[in-house]
Order: sequence, then C-alpha cells, then structure tokens
Amino acid sequence: QKEVEQNSGPLSVPEGAIASLNCTYSDRGSQSFFWYRQYSGKSPELIMSIYSNGDKEDGRFTAQLNKASQYVSLLIRDSQPSDSATYLCAGAGNMLTFGGGTRLMVKP
Amino acid sequence: SAVISQKPSRDICQRGTSLTIQCQVDSQVTMMFWYRQQPGQSLTLIATANQGSEATYESGFVIDKFPISRPNLTFSTLTVSNMSPEDSSIYLCSVSGRGSLGNIQYFGAGTRLSVL
Repeated sequence: QKEVEQNSGPLSVPEGAIASLNCTYSDRGSQSFFWYRQYSGKSPELIMSIYSNGDKEDGRFTAQLNKASQYVSLLIRDSQPSDSATYLCAGAGNMLTFGGGTRLMVKP
Repeated sequence: SAVISQKPSRDICQRGTSLTIQCQVDSQVTMMFWYRQQPGQSLTLIATANQGSEATYESGFVIDKFPISRPNLTFSTLTVSNMSPEDSSIYLCSVSGRGSLGNIQYFGAGTRLSVL
C-alpha cells in the first residue's frame, strides 16, 4: 500500500521560532511532493512543491527532499500565529497521496 | 492557478435524500478529482472524474452511491445518494493539468454537508 506518513501533532512552537514538519513516504515511484496548508474549515492551499533532492526555499518556507531516505520536510522560519494550521504532505506518482496532516500551533 | 467554483458551500440534508455538488473551473483542465474529508481526518480520494467516460472510483466508493458526471473539461458534478448521517463530511473538488497547472492539484472551497 502506498502511504505518506506524518505525525499528527499538535506541534507547538513559540512565535519567531522555526517549525519543522516531517513526512515519510513508502512509494519509491513518487516523483514530486507537495505541502498544503489547511486552516480550520477551509480547503487545502498549496504552499510548496519539490521535485529534486535537496532544499527549495520560498520566503519563510523551505522544503527538503531526500529520496534515498524517502523523507520530506517543511521548515517555517520566524513562525507567526497566522501559520497555525494543519499541514498536509502529499506525494505524486500517478496521483496525489496525502498524509494525515500535522497540526501546527504557533503561540504568541 | 485555476479558479475553482464549488457549490453549494454547505447544506443540511435529510436522511435518504440526495445532493448534487457542482464544480466549475475557469479554464480547461486535464484531471478533476473528488475528495471527502471527514471531521479531523485527512483527504480521501473518492474518484477521478473522466471527461466523456465513467469515473474511476477508489476502493470503498461505488458509482451507485457517488455518481459523477464530467460533460466537458471545465465542469463536473458529484452526487451523494441516499444519504445517511455517516455521509456528513466536507466534499472537495480538485483539478490538475498540463501547462501552467502542471501536475499540481488545486482545490475548490469545499461543500460542508450535514445529514440529519
């Protein structure tokens, strides 16, 4: 079974800290990976995509991919209370497979 | 990204009735998907809506319960049939395609369904 695994959390970090969200996947055929942010009562919103090993930075967000270890992560620098949400990791082979999501809480 | 209009945004329905959810995209897309998200859970793919042919359903979902139409490359409907309280959930339309969208999936705002 193709799976994407995430710690459900909640992950609690103080405002201004770095939040580190992790994800592992079992399907070595997955070629691309995505991080979605979902606020309570809202639909998922794409924040990062990554296709190659290494780091990809976009503003305060950095996605990291290690295909050998089948590991994807998302770092959020200078975390803000507005970053409090559930973060969904997804891997794409023929279609997206979503992890269960990690709830992030950023405390002022 | 694509502009995805999904309606209704929410509804309260009686047991045994059916509800049809519409998804309209502002540009032609290759792929359209329907997901369910139960309270506190992640996304579960119901089916892929295929233009001009029958939808491809995931394990645990059947056409009689969730009939899907996709008459063209910008529009799809999902019907939740003979509803029970267990069908209370958020239903999400998602699209992806070539060109500017690539294989990235974007989501509509969702339909929040409550079945009494």
